[in-house]
Amino acid sequence: DSGVTQTPKHLITATGQRVTLRCSPRSGDLSVYWYQQSLDQGLQFLIQYYNGEERAKGNILERFSAQQFPDLHSELNLSSLELGDSALYFCASSPTWAGIYEQYFGPGTRLTVT
Amino acid sequence: DQQVKQNSPSLSVQEGRISILNCDYTNSMFDYFLWYKKYPAEGPTFLISISSIKDKNEDGRFTVFLNKSAKHLSLHIVPSQPGDSAVYFCAASGGDYSGGGADGLTFGKGTHLIIQP
Repeated sequence: DSGVTQTPKHLITATGQRVTLRCSPRSGDLSVYWYQQSLDQGLQFLIQYYNGEERAKGNILERFSAQQFPDLHSELNLSSLELGDSALYFCASSPTWAGIYEQYFGPGTRLTVT
Repeated sequence: DQQVKQNSPSLSVQEGRISILNCDYTNSMFDYFLWYKKYPAEGPTFLISISSIKDKNEDGRFTVFLNKSAKHLSLHIVPSQPGDSAVYFCAASGGDYSGGGADGLTFGKGTHLIIQP
């Protein structure tokens, strides 16, 4: 158990809908990262938050957004969902924004868009 | 363009022997490398890492080697055990935003390691 929790575990929704994925980092970790794992693309970095502020962006679509709250939990919002958004979404946390430390991953949320 | 490549989608090794997983990268700005292990229906689990200022890091049965000139790293598992059967991901930190952001990790596509009894 990494100490990172994600809810829900599974999510099934229709195209055009909007969903929110939630992540609670390990106790004491200030940085939260979101990754998408699809069959053809592998694990791709989406976005990072550090202590409530956006720190870095990767391959995140404009339809996707995230935020980190004062209690350090984070939410990833996916809107106008398309079939291609079906994937595993992982959250990870680390104690520093510097990026040279390991990141600890949650169990993931499996999103299925029908 | 894939900046971290794991060219072997799968690898089969006999129990007790050495498993060697390989990874190549193209971005010379990467300065920290990590290996993760992933079981089905679980998130990746951190295994071992290495800074670009080193060429070897060892932790129990796991050793990571880094050859900066060749932009190549490898993970050695000795001896291999049945519980090592999993997908192994190589990841790199650093580089520009198109590669994963200043602090986001850039992952390879993974190698499925199968340990045969």
